[in-house]
Amino acid sequence: EAGVAQSPRYKIIEKRQSVAFWCNPISGHATLYWYQQILGQGPKLLIQFQNNGVVDDSQLPKDRFSAERLKGVDSTLKIQPAKLEDSAVYLCASSPDVKDEQYFGPGTRLTVT
Amino acid sequence: AQSVTQLDSQVPVFEEAPVELRCNYSSSVSVYLFWYVQYPNQGLQLLLKYLSGSTLVKGINGFEAEFNKSQTSFHLRKPSVHISDTAEYFCAVSLLQGAQKLVFGQGTRLTINP
Repeated sequence: EAGVAQSPRYKIIEKRQSVAFWCNPISGHATLYWYQQILGQGPKLLIQFQNNGVVDDSQLPKDRFSAERLKGVDSTLKIQPAKLEDSAVYLCASSPDVKDEQYFGPGTRLTVT
Repeated sequence: AQSVTQLDSQVPVFEEAPVELRCNYSSSVSVYLFWYVQYPNQGLQLLLKYLSGSTLVKGINGFEAEFNKSQTSFHLRKPSVHISDTAEYFCAVSLLQGAQKLVFGQGTRLTINP
């Protein structure tokens, strides 16, 4: 069974630029999560989808971050414009349903200069 | 709100020695408890979880953890570590009710010395 796929694996941008990350969850998984992991900290949930609907986006900085999961499968997370403090690893995870074990992708390491 | 404190940011041990990684949590309601491992440049992998029942939970790679409700702790242990156990370990909690929203601790870096 293929795992959670994320791309790109690494991205370097300048502040005020835009960036997008892509996630392909495990086939059949209804729930998809995006986490932000700042160096030296544990992952923090940004947004949770159930199929193509948002379950929780309470910690998403909505003035600059957006996410979508249009067909209930793949998802993209966008930052526009980026700030220095957005430098982090962005992890995508998926689970069969909201109360099931989460499976994590390898992450995208973003560096904002 | 829930919170998780991992008491040690780094733990160095020698190969084949025992190790304990400490985790304390705070919550006004009952929670599920988890330990995840993150190898370099990889995503998180579930080591073990406590949902209910026996307070001693066994996981993958020879790890185990004990839930102590009175001390609100969930410490991770392994009797004999290997070089391959070098990684970052994260303790996490989620509420019993509703969606599984994980709240993570800040992580403990386990370094195994030969």
